[in-house]
Amino acid sequence: GAVVSQHPSWVICKSGTSVKIECRSLDFQATTMFWYRQFPKQSLMLMATSNEGSKATYEQGVEKDKFLINHASLTLSTLTVTSAHPEDSSFYICSAQGGLAGFAGRETQYFGPGTRLLVL
Amino acid sequence: QKEVEQNSGPLSVPEGAIASLNCTYSDRGSQSFFWYRQYSGKSPELIMFIYSNGDKEDGRFTAQLNKASQYVSLLIRDSQPSDSATYLCAVRGYGSGGSNYKLTFGKGTLLTVNP
Repeated sequence: GAVVSQHPSWVICKSGTSVKIECRSLDFQATTMFWYRQFPKQSLMLMATSNEGSKATYEQGVEKDKFLINHASLTLSTLTVTSAHPEDSSFYICSAQGGLAGFAGRETQYFGPGTRLLVL
Repeated sequence: QKEVEQNSGPLSVPEGAIASLNCTYSDRGSQSFFWYRQYSGKSPELIMFIYSNGDKEDGRFTAQLNKASQYVSLLIRDSQPSDSATYLCAVRGYGSGGSNYKLTFGKGTLLTVNP
């Protein structure tokens, strides 16, 4: 149980294009999904939190208009990197939380496999 | 600002030894604590969580929590080369409102288990 998928796993794109990343909870309905970014040899940086049907909450310093988050259902959240530039190249990871029984189900974040974005 | 501190390592132990990973946190109101393992180039995977003072064992892993000292640790017994990874400590506050539902991650400790 608690499987989270991400698609695509790798993206290479030209500067100025937009990239959409999907995050799905496959065997549970997640009440909350989180989007993280991780640069090489650095820790996870939370970008935003999203709840189904409501606007995402962005962390300080994260541009809302650049990183568009849509949480259309309890099993799907998408992150769109608009007008991507080389400095947006990173490892983007989503996590899903909630919807499962017990403490672990309510409190634990389960991570997707991540999406590597390379902007040329 | 909530902080989670970990020794960045690298921590190097021989195969079969006990690896001890430590984590301290600044927010005394923190309620639940998580250990994730992250292999190079991969996303984090949950190893254990703990929310009560004391020890919690799961196979070769033991999590220890001391809320008075604001300290949480992870012991790995009979360490294997496959345990070589970065171990992330994560702390969550209380309640579900505001920022307390978020996890605050430490920067991770790199563990190397030598054959």
